[in-house]
Amino acid sequence: DIQMTQSPSTLSASVGDRVTITCRASQSVNSWLAWYQQKPGKAPKLLIYKASSLENGVPSRFSGSGSGTEFTLTISSLQPDDSGTYYCQQYITYWTFGQGTKVEIK
Amino acid sequence: QITLKESGPTLVKPTQTLTLTCTFSGFSLSTTGVGVGWIRQPPGKALEWLALIYWNDDKRYSPSVKRRLTITKDTSKNQVVLTMTSMDPVDTATYYCVVGTTVTTGFDYWGQGTLVTVSA
Repeated sequence: DIQMTQSPSTLSASVGDRVTITCRASQSVNSWLAWYQQKPGKAPKLLIYKASSLENGVPSRFSGSGSGTEFTLTISSLQPDDSGTYYCQQYITYWTFGQGTKVEIK
Repeated sequence: QITLKESGPTLVKPTQTLTLTCTFSGFSLSTTGVGVGWIRQPPGKALEWLALIYWNDDKRYSPSVKRRLTITKDTSKNQVVLTMTSMDPVDTATYYCVVGTTVTTGFDYWGQGTLVTVSA
């Protein structure tokens, strides 16, 4: 099984800050990596697929990078609506999620 | 507009079998590359993928629960059904139906989810 590990588990940042979340895979997933945002009580929403492709309608302040085993999700200028939990997911072999990163606004 | 909606019991007893139905619109499960799956999330915990069925009836199951799962599709009804046997309180979770409209995009649409509680 491919394990996905995210860091940090929680982060608190101010509006306008640049925020980075890291996701590491236990073995290479090439670029088969997606990022999701989940608000409390809601279904997750796809933000990024194939490591760096922005889903239609997602603000351009979100970006993804990486390949192989190390990936990052960056929010270039944190907005109040960006609070929530972010999950990475590999989909080279079945589908596995990271444990999530909770983003709080200071 | 793509929508998915889960339906099924909200409460099941331990050892019982859970049957969930995903009814979708806005796409066809006959289209090459499309896959519909199920993901669950225990309260306060992370997401866990369970099963997926492709347009060509190819099926994938999570190794951790494979023995307990069956996924089927009814293309004419735009439905996908998941059955999970031997339910246990640890299976209490919100169950989501998801679709990947191509093989490259991950899960680009999700249902609202349905909370299933396992309790005597």
